Amino acid sequence: QVQLQESGPGLVKPSETLSLTCTVSGDSVSSGGYYWSWIRQSPGKGLEWIGYIYYNGATNYNPSLKSRVTISADTSKNQFSLKLSSVTAADTAVYYCARESVWNFYLEYWGQGTLVTVSS
Amino acid sequence: EIVLTQSPGTLSLSPGERATLSCRASQSVSSSYLAWYQQKPGLAPRLLIYGASSRATGIPDRFSGSGSGTDFTLTISRLEPEDFAVYYCQQYGGSLRLTFGGGTKVEIK
Repeated sequence: QVQLQESGPGLVKPSETLSLTCTVSGDSVSSGGYYWSWIRQSPGKGLEWIGYIYYNGATNYNPSLKSRVTISADTSKNQFSLKLSSVTAADTAVYYCARESVWNFYLEYWGQGTLVTVSS
Repeated sequence: EIVLTQSPGTLSLSPGERATLSCRASQSVSSSYLAWYQQKPGLAPRLLIYGASSRATGIPDRFSGSGSGTDFTLTISRLEPEDFAVYYCQQYGGSLRLTFGGGTKVEIK
């Protein structure tokens, strides 16, 4: 059974960098066939795709966030991470990591989500 | 950007009734790339349907998806108590790659 678990600070100050890690079990981030993705959900903007990393290190980001987003992977720990720089209150959301099919682009497995609040 | 509009915003029904949820796209979407999710309070979305009409693993057959082009439908044939939740459609394509609808809440009447 594939499981994903987000971890990281729940409170980030404005203008700082949000950093989250997703730990994967039951699958490997270094095997092909799936994108390892980040999605966020806020009351104002609903569900928003942030980006993904593929097993070969290729990344793809939402154009609206691209200038501030970096997704990376640590295959030795079977984890992938999200960094979002220069955050504002608009980045307050529940952040999810998920596994996405490369064939049909659906999100089959999700982490439980972690709330990140941007506030001083 | 492909915008998905879900209707109605809220559906008030009783257990045992049929629920019909709509997802309309601003541009044509490949049926292969349309999915539906269920979300309950405090939980992550759960994949129900992919490829517009294929049920995900473990999803009961009272859930069905249909549609093509710009109009897609999720049908719950007979509502069970655990089906009262928010439902989202999601598509792949366009400038933002993956986008989601705003959701339909199915509430107990």
